Amino acid sequence: EDQVTQSPEALRLQEGESSSLNCSYTVSGLRGLFWYRQDPGKGPEFLFTLYSAGEEKEKERLKATLTKKESFLHITAPKPEDSATYLCAVQVPGGTYKYIFGTGTRLKVLA
Amino acid sequence: NAGVTQTPKFRILKIGQSMTLQCTQDMNHNYMYWYRQDPGMGLKLIYYSVGAGITDKGEVPNGYNVSRSTTEDFPLRLELAAPSQTSVYFCASSTRDRTYGYTFGSGTRLTVV
Repeated sequence: EDQVTQSPEALRLQEGESSSLNCSYTVSGLRGLFWYRQDPGKGPEFLFTLYSAGEEKEKERLKATLTKKESFLHITAPKPEDSATYLCAVQVPGGTYKYIFGTGTRLKVLA
Repeated sequence: NAGVTQTPKFRILKIGQSMTLQCTQDMNHNYMYWYRQDPGMGLKLIYYSVGAGITDKGEVPNGYNVSRSTTEDFPLRLELAAPSQTSVYFCASSTRDRTYGYTFGSGTRLTVV
């Protein structure tokens, strides 16, 4: 069964304390992996798309990487405004719009 | 540029009532989607549309209906509301190119009592 698991469920960091969020997947034929940021009471906001193992994308303090079994979202020197829930989703065969979303990592960055 | 606009933001329904969740986008995206988000669960696809006049079921379509008469609008209809439909509903849109992901609305929080 296709599955997406994000860890940890929640993470508290001090401002400036770098860390990584994990998204592991078990799917038969990855067609793309997506990272989103979701603020409380808001819809998810698109961050990155990764297609193949070894690919990396960066945006400000965020860097996403992809291997054959997992993706990492690295947060370098985070600030309180980086506090949010980070979601990953994978697109799998079986339907053009067949996406599986993880349950997210709730990140809190303390000043 | 408003993006994806959803109304209402909050709604309380009684069991058996019906309602329509509105969604409109101004980005000329052909693809639109309805998701529901429940605590501890990933987003689940309810219905999607690849263009005006074309809709299809997602993972959890039971109890819902959609229509797509224009490119801009994609309303979601709940018939005979049930407590299991208590959730946060998100509308999203996209181009065919996956590179840019989805643009989501800010959601409708629905409670069925």
